[in-house]
Amino acid sequence: GQQVMQIPQYQHVQEGEDFTTYCNSSTTLSNIQWYKQRPGGHPVFLIQLVKSGEVKKQKRLTFQFGEAKKNSSLHITATQTTDVGTYFCAGPRGSNYKLTFGKGTLLTVNP
Amino acid sequence: GAGVSQSPSNKVTEKGKDVELRCDPISGHTALYWYRQSLGQGLEFLIYFQGNSAPDKSGLPSDRFSAERTGGSVSTLTIQRTQQEDSAVYLCASNPGQGVETQYFGPGTRLLVL
Repeated sequence: GQQVMQIPQYQHVQEGEDFTTYCNSSTTLSNIQWYKQRPGGHPVFLIQLVKSGEVKKQKRLTFQFGEAKKNSSLHITATQTTDVGTYFCAGPRGSNYKLTFGKGTLLTVNP
Repeated sequence: GAGVSQSPSNKVTEKGKDVELRCDPISGHTALYWYRQSLGQGLEFLIYFQGNSAPDKSGLPSDRFSAERTGGSVSTLTIQRTQQEDSAVYLCASNPGQGVETQYFGPGTRLLVL
């Protein structure tokens, strides 16, 4: 079945450093979504990418969808302590209503 | 407006007991999902409800797990004869049901089976 892999599993940075997490799917995706889960919290939707090669920005966060629509990345510029959490990517699997989530990348930021 | 709510927020039970977890989706959302999140893991799909259609139960890990959705709104996930490996956070999510859209998650129920 479809698999969505995320790397790295963990990333620890100093405040102000950049951070990138990568998401790779075994199959072509119609779209990809990114979620953030703060420690002790629940996943919160960040963004959805649909088009091949699409790039979207949210303040210090930059999201990319690969040309082949099988990979994606989330880049955070100049991390802040508020960025701490686990970042998940998710892609539709099979049907139009089910998502396969990656295992996430846990980001910790040292102030 | 109100988001997805779940109850209880925490549940500690003994091995072999049954538990019921409740989810109240966002009003008007026809799609409802249950996920399981084990410590440090991703989200494991359990079951999906859409309106009055038959639910997609393909993610339920065993016949000890079942779920209902009454009146197209509130859902209950039941785990019978709980086992220690059932310990996890059970998350509910809903969306308007137009396709693969944003999933709005509830705060989850943290289940600990002793």
